Formats: sequence, structure tokens, C-alpha cells
Amino acid sequence: DQQVKQNSPSLSVQEGRISILNCDYTNSMFDYFLWYKKYPAEGPTFLISISSIKDKNEDGRFTVFLNKSAKHLSLHIVPSQPGDSAVYFCAANYAGGYQKVTFGTGTKLQVIP
Amino acid sequence: KAGVTQTPRYLIKTRGQQVTLSCSPISGHRSVSWYQQTPGQGLQFLFEYFSETQRNKGNFPGRFSGRQFSNSRSEMNVSTLELGDSALYLCASSLGVIQGGWQFFGPGTRLTVL
Repeated sequence: DQQVKQNSPSLSVQEGRISILNCDYTNSMFDYFLWYKKYPAEGPTFLISISSIKDKNEDGRFTVFLNKSAKHLSLHIVPSQPGDSAVYFCAANYAGGYQKVTFGTGTKLQVIP
Repeated sequence: KAGVTQTPRYLIKTRGQQVTLSCSPISGHRSVSWYQQTPGQGLQFLFEYFSETQRNKGNFPGRFSGRQFSNSRSEMNVSTLELGDSALYLCASSLGVIQGGWQFFGPGTRLTVL
């Protein structure tokens, strides 16, 4: 049972344009969401997070939007840069779950110069 | 501050064997989590240790076990290896004292079971 789903395995975007990565979840108990970025041969690195009490969190070029009623979140990267090419994982956990984090299957983003 | 280190980086075993993977967290971090990454499955949570106690466990068979030492270093053991255990095993550390605190991942151990 995949509780966190990233339905697009890959995405290609031109440099300078917006990249939108989507994530859906099914578990209503999730109340904290995170995005990680992973380069080949490296472990994932934390990118940005959002608590369920918010609907938007922004950090530089990265913005995460949360729609609780739709159980959907998205990561916007503006403007996209070639260095953003990586696999992006959506993740979620819940109060009391501590570090028991549920990850999606990842979306491979390619930013074309 | 040194990052999360995992040893070995690569490992080849045959079916039925046993394997032990090691993880050294960032200094001061008391939580260590383990994940299995396979193509198409994303990262699957194995278990989390905090101050030498297993605090959370994922849906993996009992062949997968772990432990944490007093210095927060952690080991993961897989017994009676199966072909399907071939994967990248990632370790992540965090302070672990707040919900949602982000984790710092090591580079992983690539296990191949022949």
C-alpha cells in the first residue's frame, strides 16, 4: 500500500522555466511533509518541509504547496537550473511517528540548458 | 561537522548468507533510521533507533534486524539473504527529538545478492 505517491516518474523542463513536482498521499494522519533531492551515488538531502497547519512554505527558488482537502502537495522550482536535475522524493510523517518517514517513489527531474 | 558515514559502500553476497551494514551518525545525533531503496519502490522504512532503543519499525520480515550502540553508531543485519534483498541501504541520522525534524542521509551501501 503506497501511502505517498508520486505518479510522474520523470519530468523535463527548460532552464529558466518553472518545474512542478506533484505528490499525493492517502493517510490522513500525516501532518508533516518533506521534500528531498537525490543525486546519483549520494544519499538524499533535505530540501524543504511544510506542516499541515500551513498551505505554503517558501525557501528561495523552492516553494511547497499543501492542499489538505485533496491530500496533495506540490514542489515548485522557479527558475529551474541545470543543477536542479536530480531525483526528488516526497515524504511524510505524523505526530508520534518521530522519524518513521514514508517516502514516495521519486520523480526524476531533468532541466535542459 | 562530519556527515553520516556508511560502511561498506558496496557488498556482494550470495543467497543464504548473512550481512552486517554499519552507520555512523553525525556527532550529537541520537536517532538513526534505516531505509531500503529499490527501483520503483522509493525508500522503504526499515526501523529507527533512538538512544539504543528501537522506536519504530517498518513492514519487513524478521530477517532484517538492527541495533544501536551507546555512541549512537548503528548496525543493520540481514540474515538468510534472498535475491530480492539486493538494494541500496540508506542510513539517516537526526536529533530525533522533534516530530518532522529532517534527517541527514549517508551515501548508502549497495548490496548485491547473487
